[in-house]
Amino acid sequence: LAKTTQPISMDSYEGQEVNITCSHNNIATNDYITWYQQFPSQGPRFIIQGYKTKVTNEVASLFIPADRKSSTLSLPRVSLSDTAVYYCLVGDHGGATNKLIFGTGTLLAVQP
Amino acid sequence: EAGVAQSPRYKIIEKRQSVAFWCNPISGHATLYWYQQILGQGPKLLIQFQNNGVVDDSQLPKDRFSAERLKGVDSTLKIQPAKLEDSAVYLCASSLGRDRGLLGYEQYFGPGTRLTVT
Repeated sequence: LAKTTQPISMDSYEGQEVNITCSHNNIATNDYITWYQQFPSQGPRFIIQGYKTKVTNEVASLFIPADRKSSTLSLPRVSLSDTAVYYCLVGDHGGATNKLIFGTGTLLAVQP
Repeated sequence: EAGVAQSPRYKIIEKRQSVAFWCNPISGHATLYWYQQILGQGPKLLIQFQNNGVVDDSQLPKDRFSAERLKGVDSTLKIQPAKLEDSAVYLCASSLGRDRGLLGYEQYFGPGTRLTVT
């Protein structure tokens, strides 16, 4: 299983850039790295996904080093509405190698 | 576009009773997932379907949990008999499917069913 490790919580202020790192030492060749955001009483929501190097979309960037044993989600200029739990998901969606395992998540608290 | 639908939203049962959850994925999504999320933890994959077939059910407690996906569309998850430790939110998600490349891996989650076993 592709076990992931994330910080339990992080604090930030509005307008700051936030970087959340996930460790996944036993990532396999077929595994992708995906980040989800979850608000209370809702299902997780997709943020970004990547395999290697850097991926950017309209809400976040994902940095993956060459060895792929970790990844960093970068949220530019956070706002109060970004307060949520962020999960790193590593796994093989084909089910052949590592199963899809969510970590315990990082609770991001954004203050005014 | 309609999202993933789940019902019921809440369910309270006594231990040893049975319960069933229903999920309707996004139209055209080949892959369907059931997750169990215990309070304070990340979602745990119970079973993953690709169309009608099971891709992964290694973490499904098969002595009490069962799931089926009818005609590759709707799915039901059943627990019989329920235990106290089954109290959790049961999330259903769907995605286009692994045959669609990277786009196929983005999962869309429903609102979940909160189960309380007393």
